[in-house]
Amino acid sequence: DQQVKQNSPSLSVQEGRISILNCDYTNSMFDYFLWYKKYPAEGPTFLISISSIKDKNEDGRFTVFLNKSAKHLSLHIVPSQPGDSAVYFCAAQATDSWGKFQFGAGTQVVVTP
Amino acid sequence: KAGVTQTPRYLIKTRGQQVTLSCSPISGHRSVSWYQQTPGQGLQFLFEYFSETQRNKGNFPGRFSGRQFSNSRSEMNVSTLELGDSALYLCASSWDGSGNEKLFFGSGTQLSVL
Repeated sequence: DQQVKQNSPSLSVQEGRISILNCDYTNSMFDYFLWYKKYPAEGPTFLISISSIKDKNEDGRFTVFLNKSAKHLSLHIVPSQPGDSAVYFCAAQATDSWGKFQFGAGTQVVVTP
Repeated sequence: KAGVTQTPRYLIKTRGQQVTLSCSPISGHRSVSWYQQTPGQGLQFLFEYFSETQRNKGNFPGRFSGRQFSNSRSEMNVSTLELGDSALYLCASSWDGSGNEKLFFGSGTQLSVL
């Protein structure tokens, strides 16, 4: 049962433009959300997080928005750079779920010149 | 500070064999989680250990097991390997695995079952 869904398997964006990645979840017990970036043959690296008490969190070029009523979060990358080409995963955790995150299937982002 | 270290980096096994993967967490981190990634799939949670105790377990068959040592290093074992076990196995560590704590991942062990 896929509780976290990333419905866009791929996204192509021009360098300098905005990348918007979307993630939907079904479990209302999720209260902490993360975004990870992954290059081939490497482990995921943490990008940005947001807890359910917030609706927005910014860190440099990355902003995550959380809409709890819609059970939806999005990651905005502005401006997109060639090094942003990677697979992006959203992940969600419920309270007291020791170390357990539910991950989406990922979105492959390609930043073109 | 060294990151999460996983060994070996690559493994090739045949059906029916068993395999043991190793993970050394970031120094000071006591929670270790294991995830499986297959092509086109997200990461699937296997289990989490803290202070040598398994606190959480995902929906995997009993062929998948793990343990944690007193120095927080962890191993996972897969017995009676099947072709479908071919995947990237990722280990992640955090301070104590409680809420609102990000995971730090290793580079993974790529397991191929022939």
